[in-house]
Amino acid sequence: DADVTQTPRNRITKTGKRIMLECSQTKGHDRMYWYRQDPGLGLRLIYYSFDVKDINKGEISDGYSVSRQAQAKFSLSLESAIPNQTALYFCATSDRNRADTQYFGPGTRLTVL
Amino acid sequence: AQSVAQPEDQVNVAEGNPLTVKCTYSVSGNPYLFWYVQYPNRGLQFLLKYITGDNLVKGSYGFEAEFNKSQTSFHLKKPSALVSDSALYFCAVRERNTDKLIFGTGTRLQVFP
Repeated sequence: DADVTQTPRNRITKTGKRIMLECSQTKGHDRMYWYRQDPGLGLRLIYYSFDVKDINKGEISDGYSVSRQAQAKFSLSLESAIPNQTALYFCATSDRNRADTQYFGPGTRLTVL
Repeated sequence: AQSVAQPEDQVNVAEGNPLTVKCTYSVSGNPYLFWYVQYPNRGLQFLLKYITGDNLVKGSYGFEAEFNKSQTSFHLKKPSALVSDSALYFCAVRERNTDKLIFGTGTRLQVFP
């Protein structure tokens, strides 16, 4: 969905480096989410935010942090990247009045060497 | 805890034949169920949802899904498969209190000409 953009699209980094993945949306949605996708495991929720001041941990938040700089922007950081954080990362948004439907960005492929 | 299961890693079907991608769920109370599709190098796209009402739900691209409460299933179907339907399909359930989506592990659909 072009209304949800993610940068970078691909990133290769080394163990121990700090990495930030960014997500921006023009849909005007108040809710934003970060997922990671691993083969055979589906998508797992890392963090979610229902508003700029409302940030919550998902099922696999260890090793990650987030920042909701504005309603339209939600960043995911890996403070000290490790190889098992190699995955495909997706940002998603939803409207509080239609929270059942989430709209996904194109994904960021992160490789940690 | 709420969960969904997709018992098949891959489904192969010939073009023009009907297809079924299976999903079973485990929830407390009435479920909110979803199907998403992921095409290569793309984010997830919403296909359809069941909230309440008619057990047969129609969605995008000619897909439909049947909610079966007694069998706790929500199988995705299409009467006549297209090669362009080849993609990764995810079933998901929404947690009532948090609006989080919990995804299954995904089923890869391969439609052969």
